[in-house]
Amino acid sequence: DTEVTQTPKHLVMGMTNKKSLKCEQHMGHRAMYWYKQKAKKPPELMFVYSYEKLSINESVPSRFSPECPNSSLLNLHLHALQPEDSALYLCASSQAPGLARVGVEQFFGPGTRLTVL
Amino acid sequence: EDQVTQSPEALRLQEGESSSLNCSYTVSGLRGLFWYRQDPGKGPEFLFTLYSAGEEKEKERLKATLTKKESFLHITAPKPEDSATYLCAVRPSTGGGNKLTFGTGTQLKVEL
Repeated sequence: DTEVTQTPKHLVMGMTNKKSLKCEQHMGHRAMYWYKQKAKKPPELMFVYSYEKLSINESVPSRFSPECPNSSLLNLHLHALQPEDSALYLCASSQAPGLARVGVEQFFGPGTRLTVL
Repeated sequence: EDQVTQSPEALRLQEGESSSLNCSYTVSGLRGLFWYRQDPGKGPEFLFTLYSAGEEKEKERLKATLTKKESFLHITAPKPEDSATYLCAVRPSTGGGNKLTFGTGTQLKVEL
């Protein structure tokens, strides 16, 4: 299984709502990522989990809260978002980089299209 | 500062008209260069990983090459289904967590 799945595909929420995005992989990867992508821009890294621990937080506002319950699952909890947070949210997974820190390919899910009203 | 520049921004080809996309990079030590294909509204699809200058990888009509300063994605006899945005990303030696620096992509359209 070489697939990363994300749910939901589309999400519309108000600024006072609380919602969660979910991501799952069964490739045995121990690194998982959240990205945000605006139209005609490259993906922008938000968070990295390595061995279920948060290893990188790219100064993301606290209204985005990541969670990694186990090695296969990654959640992104959303609360009090702003309209400018509307974007495609991508999850990715990869093997955890070894001690040599050679880059390893990341496999992306299909994304969740988020609209904040 | 690590930088990745892709050119051209957009490319329109006729079916069968071969061409190349460019990815120039300035990084503090390269630990991997990655090519992805992205269709509108979907997640990037992994294509190739290159690690060393002189390395080449091929898949169907695509061939990726790497020098010390740039990478090329050669498209031979493209078909309309090759239309997509092609993203290049590098893993520099600084920083952790397999963090990638992405270029802004080349939007390719192949017409009949």
